Amino acid sequence: ETGVTQSPTHLIKTRGQQVTLRCSSQSGHNTVSWYQQALGQGPQFIFQYYREEENGRGNFPPRFSGLQFPNYSSELNVNALELDDSALYLCASSVQGAQETQYFGPGTRLLVL
Amino acid sequence: GDSVTQMEGPVTLSEEAFLTINCTYTATGYPSLFWYVQYPGEGLQLLLKATKADDKGSNKGFEATYRKETTSFHLEKGSVQVSDSAVYFCALSISSGSARQLTFGSGTQLTVLP
Repeated sequence: ETGVTQSPTHLIKTRGQQVTLRCSSQSGHNTVSWYQQALGQGPQFIFQYYREEENGRGNFPPRFSGLQFPNYSSELNVNALELDDSALYLCASSVQGAQETQYFGPGTRLLVL
Repeated sequence: GDSVTQMEGPVTLSEEAFLTINCTYTATGYPSLFWYVQYPGEGLQLLLKATKADDKGSNKGFEATYRKETTSFHLEKGSVQVSDSAVYFCALSISSGSARQLTFGSGTQLTVLP
């Protein structure tokens, strides 16, 4: 059974740029959630995707957007990067109907300069 | 809103000591409760969970009991090992639209010394 994978592992961008992060779900999982974890803090929910549609969103601005593909993989896009966007971005997969139990990938560490 | 409050760290223990990390929550309704562990440079791993009052979650010698009367979900282990050194996060699951989101505490850094 393949776990959740994310790419890239690390990324450096400058303020104002755009970034795309990628996630492949654990085998058999059809729901993907994204979280932002700032240094020294707990993860914060960005949004969740099921059937290629966003079905829940946390307190993040519209410049954070996502996609889910037919194979359940997902992308997180962040436009107009700000310094405060520097964080570890975590993807978690789950099964619809049991999506409260989420399995996390290793994360992508984004640094915005 | 719903929230989780965790015991602040860091916590430093000697090997074979008893561990308790306190976690309390505020929620409408009856959330499911979780403990996740994060090793240096890695993502989060699900350690244990409990879905209803008085349930006890357990895994790898760790355990936690869902206490509705005290809104708590304290993590315990009878004898810690050096390999248990990590950051531990308490979390609850709540509805967000038709989604289920996890709300996390701020984490507790545990260091176990040989």
